[in-house]
Amino acid sequence: DSGVTQTPKHLITATGQRVTLRCSPRSGDLSVYWYQQSLDQGLQFLIQYYNGEERAKGNILERFSAQQFPDLHSELNLSSLELGDSALYFCASGDRRGYTFGSGTRLTVV
Amino acid sequence: GENVEQHPSTLSVQEGDSAVIKCTYSDSASNYFPWYKQELGKRPQLIIDIRSNVGEKKDQRIAVTLNKTAKHFSLHITETQPEDSAVYFCAASKVGGGADGLTFGKGTHLIIQP
Repeated sequence: DSGVTQTPKHLITATGQRVTLRCSPRSGDLSVYWYQQSLDQGLQFLIQYYNGEERAKGNILERFSAQQFPDLHSELNLSSLELGDSALYFCASGDRRGYTFGSGTRLTVV
Repeated sequence: GENVEQHPSTLSVQEGDSAVIKCTYSDSASNYFPWYKQELGKRPQLIIDIRSNVGEKKDQRIAVTLNKTAKHFSLHITETQPEDSAVYFCAASKVGGGADGLTFGKGTHLIIQP
């Protein structure tokens, strides 16, 4: 167990739908990072939150959004889903000592 | 922003031989370079990292070297074993003050032949 918890582990949904992925960071970590991993794109950085505030944005689509709550858990919202959004979504938490990844949520859009 | 190139994309070596994976980065301000190992269907796991004030770091059979002038860093695995088979990702970031999201290379699929 890495200490970073992601739910759900698997999600199957239809095109056009909206889903929410949840991440609880490792105890003591203030930063949460979201990554998308698809077969042909490797690990793509989506967004970072630090202590409740957005700190950096990567290749995140406008249909996607995220937030970090006062208890430091984070949610990634994906809307108007397309087939191409099917991927593994990882969150990670960490600091200058390094990142730890959660086990990921496998999203399948059908 | 930062761009990380990694090669080769696939590397096949005989068990017991050494494997070397190379990465280059574009942002000279990057100062933290971790390597992750990802087994099929599992999360990436940090195996070793190096910071810009160090040229080389070793941990048993794994070593990482960094050349800041050339902006490249490499992972060396010696005496490879079957359990080393996985996808390896290099990454780079600027740690300290502001955004420090990791930019990853596209990964190297390491295959250890028995």
